[in-house]
Amino acid sequence: GAVVSQHPSRVICKSGTSVKIECRSLDFQATTMFWYRQFPKQSLMLMATSNEGSKATYEQGVEKDKFLINHASLTLSTLTVTSAHPEDSSFYICSATGTGENYGYTFGSGTRLTVV
Amino acid sequence: GQNIDQPTEMTATEGAIVQINCTYQTSGFNGLFWYQQHAGEAPTFLSYNVLDGLEEKGRFSSFLSRSKGYSYLLLKELQMKDSASYLCAVSYTGRRALTFGSGTRLQVQP
Repeated sequence: GAVVSQHPSRVICKSGTSVKIECRSLDFQATTMFWYRQFPKQSLMLMATSNEGSKATYEQGVEKDKFLINHASLTLSTLTVTSAHPEDSSFYICSATGTGENYGYTFGSGTRLTVV
Repeated sequence: GQNIDQPTEMTATEGAIVQINCTYQTSGFNGLFWYQQHAGEAPTFLSYNVLDGLEEKGRFSSFLSRSKGYSYLLLKELQMKDSASYLCAVSYTGRRALTFGSGTRLQVQP
């Protein structure tokens, strides 16, 4: 089945620094990737949708200059949290879909970001 | 909007059956997914319904009524490991991403 690898699983960073999270599709071509954020006991909130080779589409209220998304290849998308602050601490999850898949939505394992 | 509603919390007993309901707006509906998510982990796929009726997969079954904008996830022979959040998600025309409900936290008690 389709596998999406997400790294790192956990990261602690100092306030003001940047953190990069990678999401890779291992056995299929991910034409579209989605980035979600999830706060404790809440559901997944879509941050942005990225298509390979084009700019990401951000959801309303998500700062595109703060959450930089790159989807330069069919197997890799990255989310960079720039100038991180404690309120950015959250669980970030990517999801990928490709052409020709039956169900199409495979999730990465998530990244727990803690900004101190 | 495309509100997806499901109960916030449910409690059930080990070995019992529990039904988790989900209602959604029907306009533009393409299909409905159920995911299981344990605390601190990513969601895992449980089921996908696009046609009316019941889809059975082991202890888990999912039902869909397109005309009513209604689905449920049925969990049989509950086990302690079934304690998790269950997310209902809908695919809508014109929107590549899934729209998620708020999730139902299920607590299975001995």
